[in-house]
Amino acid sequence: NAGVTQTPKFRVLKTGQSMTLLCAQDMNHEYMYWYRQDPGMGLRLIHYSVGEGTTAKGEVPDGYNVSRLKKQNFLLGLESAAPSQTSVYFCASTVTGLLYGYTFGSGTRLTVV
Amino acid sequence: ELKVEQNPLFLSMQEGKNYTIYCNYSTTSDRLYWYRQDPGKSLESLFVLLSNGAVKQEGRLMASLDTKARLSTLHITAAVHDLSATYFCAGDFGNEKLTFGTGTRLTIIP
Repeated sequence: NAGVTQTPKFRVLKTGQSMTLLCAQDMNHEYMYWYRQDPGMGLRLIHYSVGEGTTAKGEVPDGYNVSRLKKQNFLLGLESAAPSQTSVYFCASTVTGLLYGYTFGSGTRLTVV
Repeated sequence: ELKVEQNPLFLSMQEGKNYTIYCNYSTTSDRLYWYRQDPGKSLESLFVLLSNGAVKQEGRLMASLDTKARLSTLHITAAVHDLSATYFCAGDFGNEKLTFGTGTRLTIIP
């Protein structure tokens, strides 16, 4: 069981560079999410999707874009990376109705220098 | 404003002791979730509480939900070192996503 797979696991970017984080799930989940985790701040929602072709903003969406062209994939893009985007990024997915909570990916540790 | 508050934020306790982590939330929710995170790792689901009065137990951990008080508790019985981790609660407030507390870092001392 692969569950939720995030790539890459680690990345170092220079300020102004762009990159895309990929999240893939094989559980046929409708809902997918991107969170960032910073020390002392818990998890903050960046963007989420409740189905293929849909996206919505979360708590901290500025500087990020997302796409959900296929049900199993949810992409998070940074168009022009800034040091403030240094963080650990988690993808999660779940079934409609949140009956079982989230299944999380293993995380991506991003450093912007 | 949606808020999920945990206390304490840091907890250092001796092996064999009992303690409780509290999770308060600011608006109505019928569902509450608990997760565990080990250092440098992802989050692992511990409990899903889906109704008022729900109580679930797994080993030395027991979680409960009081929706009227907007309070969930995670009780640790006879703590052992393996329970050292950060514990998060999260609420479902009917908007198709979870709102997380800031976490409680638990350290069990021999």
